[in-house]
Amino acid sequence: AQRVTQPEKLLSVFKGAPVELKCNYSYSGSPELFWYVQYSRQRLQLLLRHISRESIKGFTADLNKGETSFHLKKPFAQEEDSAMYYCALSAYNTDKLIFGTGTRLQVFP
Amino acid sequence: GAGVSQSPRYKVAKRGQDVALRCDPISGHVSLFWYQQALGQGPEFLTYFQNEAQLDKSGLPSDRFFAERPEGSVSTLKIQRTQQEDSAVYLCASSPTLSGPYNEQFFGPGTRLTVL
Repeated sequence: AQRVTQPEKLLSVFKGAPVELKCNYSYSGSPELFWYVQYSRQRLQLLLRHISRESIKGFTADLNKGETSFHLKKPFAQEEDSAMYYCALSAYNTDKLIFGTGTRLQVFP
Repeated sequence: GAGVSQSPRYKVAKRGQDVALRCDPISGHVSLFWYQQALGQGPEFLTYFQNEAQLDKSGLPSDRFFAERPEGSVSTLKIQRTQQEDSAVYLCASSPTLSGPYNEQFFGPGTRLTVL
């Protein structure tokens, strides 16, 4: 079965501290992985996708097929990073997204 | 338009009532998705359209749920005989094409349904 697990409901850090939001997935084939973010009073939006190997707003995520993980990392958190973060998977040849339960990131000044 | 829009933004229904939720996708977007998000959970897939064709409805929880997109643009999600467990935020998303790993879904603000 396809499943995405985000073990932390809440992650609190101080400004300038490193951040790692964990995401593990269960899928037998080659998954397509995404991170979506929802800032306060805004709609859900794409942050980054694994295929692009990009850094967005200082965030990066590496797909580790051996550990079936796609953790989101940022070396120095900013207050504006406070938001709800969702890891999502789409199976090969389908666009529907399977989301984790989300992690709320709080960055304190 | 400015983005995906949904109406109403909030809906309160008495148990047993029928409701209809509307989604206006971004103009020209081929794919349209509906998700259900219960409190404290991530969005869960309900159904998917490519133009007017409903290609996947595997996530619809029961036959009380019905979705349509007759002209390949606006979509309506209908829930008949609402139950308390239907209370959730219903999200609509659209994307330009079937783009696989480069897929980006653009989400609407959601409709919060409360069934009393």
